[in-house]
This record gives sequence, C-alpha cells and structure tokens, in this order.
Amino acid sequence: NAGVTQTPKFQVLKTGQSMTLQCAQDMNHEYMSWYRQDPGMGLRLIHYSVGAGITDQGEVPNGYNVSRSTTEDFPLRLLSAAPSQTSVYFCASSYLVGAEAFFGQGTRLTVV
Amino acid sequence: DAKTTQPPSMDCAEGRAANLPCNHSTISGNEYVYWYRQIHSQGPQYIIHGLKNNETNEMASLIITEDRKSSTLILPHATLRDTAVYYCIVNPLTGANNLFFGTGTRLTVIP
Repeated sequence: NAGVTQTPKFQVLKTGQSMTLQCAQDMNHEYMSWYRQDPGMGLRLIHYSVGAGITDQGEVPNGYNVSRSTTEDFPLRLLSAAPSQTSVYFCASSYLVGAEAFFGQGTRLTVV
Repeated sequence: DAKTTQPPSMDCAEGRAANLPCNHSTISGNEYVYWYRQIHSQGPQYIIHGLKNNETNEMASLIITEDRKSSTLILPHATLRDTAVYYCIVNPLTGANNLFFGTGTRLTVIP
C-alpha cells in the first residue's frame, strides 16, 4: 500500500515549457485534489475531482489543466510554465465520506 | 476568507503538553473541525477531527467548546518530532473534501 505517490519530486522548467505532474493513489479514493504551496503560506487548492470523469476548479486554477480518466490517477498539466508557478505542489486523496485526506510528498517546481 | 484563526507561533518544552488553540466562530452546523500538521516541507498529515464531542486518538486530543466556536488540539507529551506547522480547518464531513489551509501555527518543541 503506497498511499499517494507523486512524480517527479523535483523539476526545473524554462518559461513557456509544458509538463505534467503525476499523482497516483492505491486506496480506491473517489476524491483527489491538487494544491500549491508558496513560501510561508498555506496550501491553496488548484483543481479537484470527486470521481473518474469529473473535475472542477479550486481557488487558483489558471494555467493548469487536469483530467481524471481512472480512479487511481489525477495528473496536473502546466500548459505554458511561468515563473509565478514556481511552488511546491501537493496531491491529496480521500474518501468522500469520513474524509481523512492523504497527501503525497510533493513536487518542487522551479520555473526560470 | 479564512474560516479559522490561529496564533502564528508557539513554543512548548519537550515532554510537556502542547495546547494549540483555534477560533472558528462562524462554523456551520454541518462542519467538522479537522487538524493537520506539516513537518518541514512534507505533505500535510491528518491528526484528528471532531464535530462537537471531545475526541482522542493515538496522536492527540481535540477539545471543542460547547458553542463550537473554538477548539484546542492537545499533544499530551510533545517531542522534538512534533515540531511542525499545525493547521485547524473546518469542513463538511461529506462532499468534496476541499480543505482551506490558512497559515497555521508553527509549533516549536524546545529540548
């Protein structure tokens, strides 16, 4: 039981490049979400999903796309990276009911 | 808008109880109080949650006032490994588990 797995752990991008941050969970959780955390701040919700085929925007969705084709995977796509997207990204999953959320270990992204 | 208010930082002596307060005066009837912590830059870790009764698990105790407008997380015997940022979050128990993280309380356990 690996929990929530994020890859890669570190990434450096040039402005304008695109990439996908991967998130996978093996707990059969319906709910998955992506957060970003900037220095000295709490986590902010980017996008979330309540099940396969269903996604919705969170607090800071601009510049990011998501899809949920399977229960296990919830990739986050940066379409055209900008320095403002330099942050640590966390993926989380939980059941919808009785919702203790499990977080991955994060992806540290730097856009230069 | 933040639904909770926490002190930005606290210190606690190793081995003593750490009492972390949280105000949530606008909490709704269907919202629970959750506590998470974040050690260094790791992913947040769930600690405990409750509705109106006091709760205890292997990590901590949660005391919620009768009017539910505030709560206290208690770490009974703080260790150096409890040094972390602690987040108090109010959230409905069912539905999309969108957590609003404020800036939390940075707890430093002192040897």
